Amino acid sequence: NAGVTQTPKFQVLKTGQSMTLQCAQDMNHNSMYWYRQDPGMGLRLIYYSASEGTTDKGEVPNGYNVSRLNKREFSLRLESAAPSQTSVYFCASSELGTSGKNTGELFFGEGSRLTVL
Amino acid sequence: AQSVTQLGSHVSVSEGALVLLRCNYSSSVPPYLFWYVQYPNQGLQLLLKYTSAATLVKGINGFEAEFKKSETSFHLTKPSAHMSDAAEYFCAVSLLGGGFKTIFGAGTRLFVKA
Repeated sequence: NAGVTQTPKFQVLKTGQSMTLQCAQDMNHNSMYWYRQDPGMGLRLIYYSASEGTTDKGEVPNGYNVSRLNKREFSLRLESAAPSQTSVYFCASSELGTSGKNTGELFFGEGSRLTVL
Repeated sequence: AQSVTQLGSHVSVSEGALVLLRCNYSSSVPPYLFWYVQYPNQGLQLLLKYTSAATLVKGINGFEAEFKKSETSFHLTKPSAHMSDAAEYFCAVSLLGGGFKTIFGAGTRLFVKA
């Protein structure tokens, strides 16, 4: 079981460059999320997609865009990278529904470490 | 709005000693509560969760946590630390329904001394 797969795992950018982080899940989950992790700040939600066809801003959306390409894939784009976006980015997925299966557990990818010079 | 506070960014224990990682939350409605563990250079994985059933929740690797509504706490414990427990631990709270999101605490790094 692959679970949640993120690419690339490492990336170095120069200020002003753009890039897209890719995420795919094979668990048939409805909801997908992008978090960033910075020392001493835990994980902060950038954007999420509660279901295919919808996206919403999280706590720190500025400087990012997302696309829910289909049920499996959720990408995060940095249009003009800034040093403040140096971070580790995590994609996650969860089941969302009215059934008893929904307990809010998140399944994470291994992370993408981004450095902006 | 909900929030999570983890007391202590770093905790150090000796191998075989009790592990206690503290978490307090605030929420306007009954929350779902989680502890996640992150080993170096890996993503987070679920350790245990509270979903309004039993207040004492048992998780993987011998960890457990007790939901105390009166104290708004969800502290994580393990009777005897093992070297392999060294990792970062995150407490998290979520609300279900519309606008479903999880809020994480800042994390506590656990060091285990031989």
